[in-house]
Parts: sequence; structure tokens; C-alpha cells
Amino acid sequence: AQKVTQAQTEISVVEKEDVTLDCVYETRDTTYYLFWYKQPPSGELVFLIRRNSFDEQNEISGRYSWNFQKSTSSFNFTITASQVVDSAVYFCATNFGNEKLTFGTGTRLTIIP
Amino acid sequence: AAGVIQSPRHLIKEKRETATLKCYPIPRHDTVYWYQQGPGQDPQFLISFYEKMQSDKGSIPDRFSAQQFSDYHSELNMSSLELGDSALYFCASSLLVGGVGNEQFFGPGTRLTVL
Repeated sequence: AQKVTQAQTEISVVEKEDVTLDCVYETRDTTYYLFWYKQPPSGELVFLIRRNSFDEQNEISGRYSWNFQKSTSSFNFTITASQVVDSAVYFCATNFGNEKLTFGTGTRLTIIP
Repeated sequence: AAGVIQSPRHLIKEKRETATLKCYPIPRHDTVYWYQQGPGQDPQFLISFYEKMQSDKGSIPDRFSAQQFSDYHSELNMSSLELGDSALYFCASSLLVGGVGNEQFFGPGTRLTVL
């Protein structure tokens, strides 16, 4: 079965700490894409990153970084020096060779000032 | 830059009423997707359209129907509303190049409350 698992339901860290959000996926497809979205309290879904299954290079964008490891089917997301504005629900998602996105159950991140 | 537009942003209906949600994709995008997000849940795929034809279908109730029009906007029609239909409904659009993995741009969502 195709599935995305975000085992961490809720995480709380103190501002300026680093935090890593875990994402594990299951697929039989050889070609697929992985995504991370942020959903702040206002409710919109904000695109953060897309990574294809052939590109295992880590990526850094400002305070955000992503670690894709195909061998363990993981696509983890790290926020460095967290800020209160990072408080949100974060979803990992994938499309398994077709168009629709399959989301994980999300991780609610709370940054404590 | 133009984004996905959804209307209305908020909608309150009574049980057994009907509702119509509208989505205007980003100009030149050819694919529209609808997702339903219940309280505390992750978004669940409902249905998608490519070039005005239904391209995929998820767990969409038979009470719901959708279509994409000639100007590429899409409408989700919901009849015989139930309390469980209360959710945030997202529309997303993309330009389908290569058939996989294209970034889906999400609209702000329509929050439907059924009383």
C-alpha cells in the first residue's frame, strides 16, 4: 500500500532550538515526488519543497533543510534556529507516479517564545 | 503573481441543503484538483480534472459532483449536505508536464460548516 507516515503528532521546542520533522513513505513506484507543505493557523497550504525520487542530494533553503534517504524511504525536514512564526502544522506528501497528492497525517509544531 | 482563487471563503449551510464551491486556477494551468480536509485531519483527494476531463477520482461521495468549464474554472457541487461534510475544501492547480510530480498550487480554501 502507498502510504506516508509522520509519526510525530505534536512537537514543542523553545525558540532558537533546531527541530527535525520525520517523514517515512511506502511505495512500489520507481518514479515519484516528495513534498513538504506548511499549514499555519490561518489554514492555507504553503508549498515548501519538491524532491524527485532520483535526486538524493540534501537541500538547504535559509533555515530550512531536507534530508532525503531513499534507502530508508525517509524525507526529513529540519528547521534551524526556530522562530515563533514557524509554528504550524507541517505535512509531508507524495504522488506515487500519478497526479494526486497523498498526505501524511501532519506534525503540529509549536515554537515556545 | 496570480494565485488560485476559491469562492466563497466561508459557507454555512443546513443539513440536506446544497452547496457549490468555485475554483479559479492559475492562468495557463491545465489541471485542477479538489481536496477535503476535516478538522484535525490531513487533506484527502476528492477529484481532479485535466483539460476539462475528469482525470482521477478519490473518495468523493456520490452526493458530490464536479466539473471543469471551458475557461478552466471548476465547481464542486455538494447535495444533501451532512454534518460530516463540514471541512476545509481546497482547490489546487498545476501545469501537467510529464505527468508526475508537478507542483500543485493550493488556493486559500473554502471552509464549509453544515449545521
